[in-house]
Amino acid sequence: EIVMTQSPATLSVSPGERATLSCRASQSVSSNLGWYQQKPGQAPRLFIYGASTRATGIPARFSGSGSGTEFTLTISSLQSEDFAVYYCQQYNNWPGTFGQGTKVEIK
Amino acid sequence: EVQLVESGGGLVKPGGSLRLSCAASGFTFSNAWMSWVRQTPGKGLEWVGRIKTKTGGGTTDYPAPVKGRFTISRDDSKNTLYLQMNSLKTEDTAVYYCTRTREVSGAISMLYDDWGQGTRVTVSS
Repeated sequence: EIVMTQSPATLSVSPGERATLSCRASQSVSSNLGWYQQKPGQAPRLFIYGASTRATGIPARFSGSGSGTEFTLTISSLQSEDFAVYYCQQYNNWPGTFGQGTKVEIK
Repeated sequence: EVQLVESGGGLVKPGGSLRLSCAASGFTFSNAWMSWVRQTPGKGLEWVGRIKTKTGGGTTDYPAPVKGRFTISRDDSKNTLYLQMNSLKTEDTAVYYCTRTREVSGAISMLYDDWGQGTRVTVSS
């Protein structure tokens, strides 16, 4: 089973600033990597798939990059609605596995 | 708009059974792969099973922790997904989400496009 490791566990950022979240896979997952956002009391929501493709309705300030074992989710200018937990998920190998999440909080 | 509404969660004793349901709308249910994903504070998000479409064989798959205890089924006439959970253990305590699932070309596993609001299952004596 592939282990997904996210860092940092918590990221404190001021509104308007840039946030960079990392996700590392224990072995190559090619570009088969997704990012999900989860707000308190809500279900996760798919934000990015294929490492860099935004899902429908996701703002352009969200961008994903990487391939193989190293991936990044960048939020170019944080808005109030972006403060949440973000999870990466690999779907290249069986079973698909999730990281433990990065909480983006208001500084 | 895609809607997935889970029900059936609750408190059950270890060794007991529970059946979760997920009512789907806003898409052609019979054409969709569906999965259940659970979430716990300790283990995070964990896939617990998938069912393919009837035309795709209706095949089900499960991870090792639940294989032989959990069974996914679907009723396309009712647009409803089910998760039958038997021989429940304390470690099955979680919020269970119903998800519309995407098969991705070139990948072995799946993406989760849409999620319900979740239903909480507590296994405790």
